[in-house]
Amino acid sequence: GIQVEQSPPDLILQEGANSTLRCNFSDSVNNLQWFHQNPWGQLINLFYIPSGTKQNGRLSATTVATERYSLLYISSSQTTDSGVYFCAGAVQGAQKLVFGQGTRLTINP
Amino acid sequence: DAGVIQSPRHEVTEMGQEVTLRCKPISGHDYLFWYRQTMMRGLELLIYFNNNVPIDDSGMPEDRFSAKMPNASFSTLKIQPSEPRDSAVYFCASSLLRTGYGYTFGSGTRLTVV
Repeated sequence: GIQVEQSPPDLILQEGANSTLRCNFSDSVNNLQWFHQNPWGQLINLFYIPSGTKQNGRLSATTVATERYSLLYISSSQTTDSGVYFCAGAVQGAQKLVFGQGTRLTINP
Repeated sequence: DAGVIQSPRHEVTEMGQEVTLRCKPISGHDYLFWYRQTMMRGLELLIYFNNNVPIDDSGMPEDRFSAKMPNASFSTLKIQPSEPRDSAVYFCASSLLRTGYGYTFGSGTRLTVV
């Protein structure tokens, strides 16, 4: 099956800072998604982004499918952005979403 | 829409007992997924359904685990008999493929087997 590698594993920032999270895939994927797991354990879907760029407020994501990676940008971080960010993808034609190990983001006030 | 609804939120049971986890997907969604999250193994797909039909159960750890989806609005994941190593958070998610909006997860069931 595909391997999903996320970096960095941990990130600690001050409120107001910007950050970039990266996700690499071992094979071509579709159905690429980014999730935020908040400190209460809830998994929130941020983006469905098999290719191209999307933006939602202070968050944006870019997927370069030919290079098998995706980036999540968080600007002007707030303490509520803390949590674990996961990317996940499935091989072409499949719905079996494989998750990375996550990036734990801590935003200090 | 109330989102994906899972019950119970927490379950503590003794080893050897049967455990049943429940999930109500978002109305109209055609895919339903069961995931398990542990510190050691992260998020693992156990099984998924398309239009109530099981498509891939290769992630189900062993015969003690079974899942059903008798209709479009309800699914169960059963563990019988339960073991301490089954302790984890179990998530249910649903999606509607053609919308391209991705998965919506429920709040999860935290299972502790003592």
